[in-house]
Amino acid sequence: DTEVTQTPKHLVMGMTNKKSLKCEQHMGHRAMYWYKQKAKKPPELMFVYSYEKLSINESVPSRFSPECPNSSLLNLHLHALQPEDSALYLCASSQGDNYQETQYFGPGTRLLVL
Amino acid sequence: AQSVTQLGSHVSVSEGALVLLRCNYSSSVPPYLFWYVQYPNQGLQLLLKYTTGATLVKGINGFEAEFKKSETSFHLTKPSAHMSDAAEYFCAVSFTGGGNKLTFGTGTQLKVEL
Repeated sequence: DTEVTQTPKHLVMGMTNKKSLKCEQHMGHRAMYWYKQKAKKPPELMFVYSYEKLSINESVPSRFSPECPNSSLLNLHLHALQPEDSALYLCASSQGDNYQETQYFGPGTRLLVL
Repeated sequence: AQSVTQLGSHVSVSEGALVLLRCNYSSSVPPYLFWYVQYPNQGLQLLLKYTTGATLVKGINGFEAEFKKSETSFHLTKPSAHMSDAAEYFCAVSFTGGGNKLTFGTGTQLKVEL
C-alpha cells in the first residue's frame, strides 16, 4: 500500500484565520514533504522532514509553520495567509531521505484564501 | 546545475494513437528519473522510475520510458492512447548530491480526442 492521506480536501480561510493541514502515512516512511502547487505549474518544494527533524526549508514565509509530531504524521499550520497563497498543497513521503527514493504523493488540500 | 525540460506544454492525440511525451535532463552526475501523472483535482501518481540497469522501463497503465544517456532523454510512450490517459504529466529528476529533492519539469498536458 502506497497511500498518503490528506485532510481536509478543501479549505477556505480568511486572511486572519488560523488553520492546519494534516498528512498521514502508514508505510513506515521516514521522510515527509510539503509542496505547493499553483494551477498549471509543477509542485514547488516547501519543507522536508527526515526522521522527524526539519531538514529542508525552502525559504518559506513564516506564516507557514510545519510540524512533525511523529513518523506517520505531518502538519502544516497556516496563519495570516495572503490571497496569493491559494493553491493545492501536496504532501508526499518516501522510505528514506536520499536521492534514490521514490516520493509518494497524497491527493492534496485545495486552499482558497479570501 | 541539474534541470529537466519537457518539450511541448500541450500534446493532443487521437484515441488509439501513439503517445509520446518528451523529457530531457541536464545532469553532471547519473540521475534518477521519474514520470508522474496528475489527473484533475488529484495528487501526483508515480508512473515509472529509472534508477540504473535496464534502460527501458515499464510502468503502470501501459506506459514505458527509455533512458538514453547519449541524448540525455527519458521520453514517455504508450502505444495506444485511451481517453482515460488525459491528464498532466510531469518528468522529474533526482541525483546524488541533491539530497532527496526532486526537480520537476514544467509539465505536459495530454489531451486525447475521439
